[in-house]
Parts: sequence; C-alpha cells; structure tokens
Amino acid sequence: AQSVTQPDIHITVSEGASLELRCNYSYGATPYLFWYVQSPGQGLQLLLKYFSGDTLVQGIKGFEAEFKRSQSSFNLRKPSVHWSDAAEYFCAVGARGNTGKLIFGQGTTLQVKP
Amino acid sequence: DADVTQTPRNRITKTGKRIMLECSQTKGHDRMYWYRQDPGLGLRLIYYSFDVKDINKGEISDGYSVSRQAQAKFSLSLESAIPNQTALYFCATHAGTSGSLVWNEQFFGPGTRLTVL
Repeated sequence: AQSVTQPDIHITVSEGASLELRCNYSYGATPYLFWYVQSPGQGLQLLLKYFSGDTLVQGIKGFEAEFKRSQSSFNLRKPSVHWSDAAEYFCAVGARGNTGKLIFGQGTTLQVKP
Repeated sequence: DADVTQTPRNRITKTGKRIMLECSQTKGHDRMYWYRQDPGLGLRLIYYSFDVKDINKGEISDGYSVSRQAQAKFSLSLESAIPNQTALYFCATHAGTSGSLVWNEQFFGPGTRLTVL
C-alpha cells in the first residue's frame, strides 16, 4: 500500500539556520510528490510539487525539495529559516488511479528559536 | 474574501448529536474533498466529489456522510457524533479534471475544529 513517512514529528532550529525536513514514500511507480505547509489557525498551502524532470524543485517562500528515487525520499530544505516559517509541514504523495487523491504523511512541526 | 470557507470554525457538541460542517468555494472548481486531521496521523480523506453527481468514499468514511448541494457547496455530516470524531476537519478544492491536471494544487479552507464530548 502507498504510504508517506515523515520521521521527525517535531524539529527546532534557530533563526537563520538551515533546515531539512525528511519525507519517505512507498510507491511502485514514479510518484507525484508534494509539500504543504499549515500555519497556525490556517489551512494548508502548497509549497512545491514534483511530477517529473529535474529532481530538484523550487517552491515558494525560498523552499526547495529534492526527489531521490534510490532512497524513496523527497526532503524539503531551506538555507536560512525565518521565524515566520514556524508551522506544520506535510509531505504527500498522489494516490494511484489519477484521481487527485493525496496520501499525507504524519506532519512535522517546525519551531524556530530567536 | 477567502476562496474556500468553512462553517463553523469551532464546534463543541455531545455524543449522539447530529452535526453538519459546511464548505463553500468561489474558485469554480469541480473537485472537492473532506479531510480530517489528527495529531500524529496527518490528514486522512473522508469523502471526495468530482462533481454534483459524483461522490466517493475516502479511506475513513464510516460514521460520516456528505452532500454536494451545488458545484460550490460540499457538506459533511456526522449523523451521531462520537468522541473519536474529535478532530480538525478540512475542506479542499482543485480544478484538475483529467491527465496530469488532477495533480494541480489543492486549495484548503481554514478548518473546523470539532470537539465531541
């Protein structure tokens, strides 16, 4: 069965430090992969997505993610974190069948220290 | 004005009560989804609708029902609420209807926090 795992439930980084959030997926074919962010009290917003082609994808707010097929990973990175990046981050994979259904990971809560 | 709105934003109810959560969108999208979010479990799909006459169960539909009253409105009902339905509920929409367009961005409402006592 398809699944998405985010190994880190909670991460704390200092403002200005680099960030990497891990995501591993289980899927037999080339997956459609997404990162969404949920700020407190708000709905989810798409940061970036990967369909095919260049394995390094750029997103909004200075985020990027790299697709590594050999590791079944799609880790999210940012070179320098800002206090406003504190939020919950979800990795998701498109479910089989081309229905648009998403399978989400458990989420990673990012705390930013001043 | 927000493109995807949910009402109510917060609701506390008692076991056995019937509850309806409403979602409206002004994006003109055909596809709408209901998810629930629980700590440590991420978001799980309850129901989804591709148009007014096409409604489908998601992975956790037991105990829930939905109604697609119009392209813009998609309601989620709990016929007899129970405490383990306490969660944050999200509605989402997207425009893609075929091919790779089905993987376009989903637009989420702000969520409804439901507590069942």
